[in-house]
Amino acid sequence: GENVEQHPSTLSVQEGDSAVIKCTYSDSASNYFPWYKQELGKRPQLIIDIRSNVGEKKDQRIAVTLNKTAKHFSLHITETQPEDSAVYFCAASGSGGGADGLTFGKGTHLIIQP
Amino acid sequence: EAGVTQSPTHLIKTRGQQVTLRCSPISGHTSVYWYQQALGLGLQFLLWYDEGEERNRGNFPPRFSGRQFPNYSSERIVNALELEDSALSLCASSLWIRVPSYEQYFGPGTRLTVT
Repeated sequence: GENVEQHPSTLSVQEGDSAVIKCTYSDSASNYFPWYKQELGKRPQLIIDIRSNVGEKKDQRIAVTLNKTAKHFSLHITETQPEDSAVYFCAASGSGGGADGLTFGKGTHLIIQP
Repeated sequence: EAGVTQSPTHLIKTRGQQVTLRCSPISGHTSVYWYQQALGLGLQFLLWYDEGEERNRGNFPPRFSGRQFPNYSSERIVNALELEDSALSLCASSLWIRVPSYEQYFGPGTRLTVT
C-alpha cells in the first residue's frame, strides 16, 4: 500500500518569512495529493490539492509543487501570519482515486513566531 | 451549504463495551470515509462507504465495522472496545460519480475515550 513520509515534524518560522513542508510517497500510481490544516481541537480543513497531471498550483499565499519522477510534493506558505500556526498534513490517494482512502503523513506542527 | 456533521461530540466508554458513532455527509455527497486520529499515530483510514455499500477498509480488525444508509449518512461501530481505541474519530464525505471527485471534507469528529 501507499506510504507517505512528511518532514519536518515541527517547523518554527518568523512571522513574514516563508515555510516549506515536504512529503514523499511510495506508490507511483498515486494521482491526487491534498494538504490539510488542523488547528487545535478543530477538524482538518482542505487548503489546497494537486492532481498528478499538474506540476504546481497556487492559491494566494500557499502553493503546492509535485515532482512525480522523484515522488515528492511540497507545501509552500509565503508571508506567514500568526493564523497560519497549526498542524499541516499531506496525503496521497492511490491509483484507485478515493477507493483506498487517503494515506496521510504524520503531520507538521507549524509555529509562527511574532 | 451545511458541512459534514458528526455525533456525539464526546463519548466515554468502558473497555469491552460497544460504541456507535454517526456521520452525515455534505448534501449531495454519496461517499463517506472514516478515519481515526490517535495520539502519535496521525490520521488512519478505516472504512469507505459509497451508495450504501462498503467499498474498502483499512488494516483494522473485524470488530471495526459500520454501514451507510439510503440517505448516505453512516454509522461506525466498534465492538469489544480496547483502551487503545481512544482517539478522535473523523468522517469525511466526497462525491463519487463514475470519476471520483477526490476532495474529502471532514466533520468535526467524535472524541472517544475508553477507560
